Amino acid sequence: GEDVEQSLFLSVREGDSSVINCTYTDSSSTYLYWYKQEPGAGLQLLTYIFSNMDMKQDQRLTVLLNKKDKHLSLRIADTQTGDSAIYFCAENKGNTPLVFGKGTRLSVIA
Amino acid sequence: DVKVTQSSRYLVKRTGEKVFLECVQDMDHENMFWYRQDPGLGLRLIYFSYDVKMKEKGDIPEGYSVSREKKERFSLILESASTNQTSMYLCATLTGTDTQYFGPGTRLTVL
Repeated sequence: GEDVEQSLFLSVREGDSSVINCTYTDSSSTYLYWYKQEPGAGLQLLTYIFSNMDMKQDQRLTVLLNKKDKHLSLRIADTQTGDSAIYFCAENKGNTPLVFGKGTRLSVIA
Repeated sequence: DVKVTQSSRYLVKRTGEKVFLECVQDMDHENMFWYRQDPGLGLRLIYFSYDVKMKEKGDIPEGYSVSREKKERFSLILESASTNQTSMYLCATLTGTDTQYFGPGTRLTVL
């Protein structure tokens, strides 16, 4: 199976909260990441969380980490049309390349 | 800020041509990566390099080679381009905190 799993699509209305979920497999991962990819562009690091944290908040973004269940989520408050993008979850398994999920395409409906 | 640049945003080549994709970073990072991205398949690692003149195969190296003659530059080479290599190619570097930074991508079309 996949190392990092996330649903492929999410659709929300403008102004609502979006929650993008991810599960990973390696409990020894040091960092977990969220990347954002806008259409036609590369991946942009959005935020990351150190494995000894449960939550990290940065303006409209909240990252929650449940190490017991190996579950990571990204919550976007007051979702805007500019948030429409593909969001990738990634884990650092101790080897050099990060392991990425396949990405969740977030569509924001005005 | 970390800056990763790729030589072209869009590229169109013909089957059988030799193709060079260039990636340059300005942060003196040792580790550099080439991925391809295809709908429904996510990111797939082609090759990576952890030092000058060093290279490691990723998950899908077939049909590709790489060159790392200088620390700041990592090139991906398609010796004989084929239509199934039409894709978005992404270059990335790795910081000391294991964070990867990506270039803007090159969308390659092979006709």
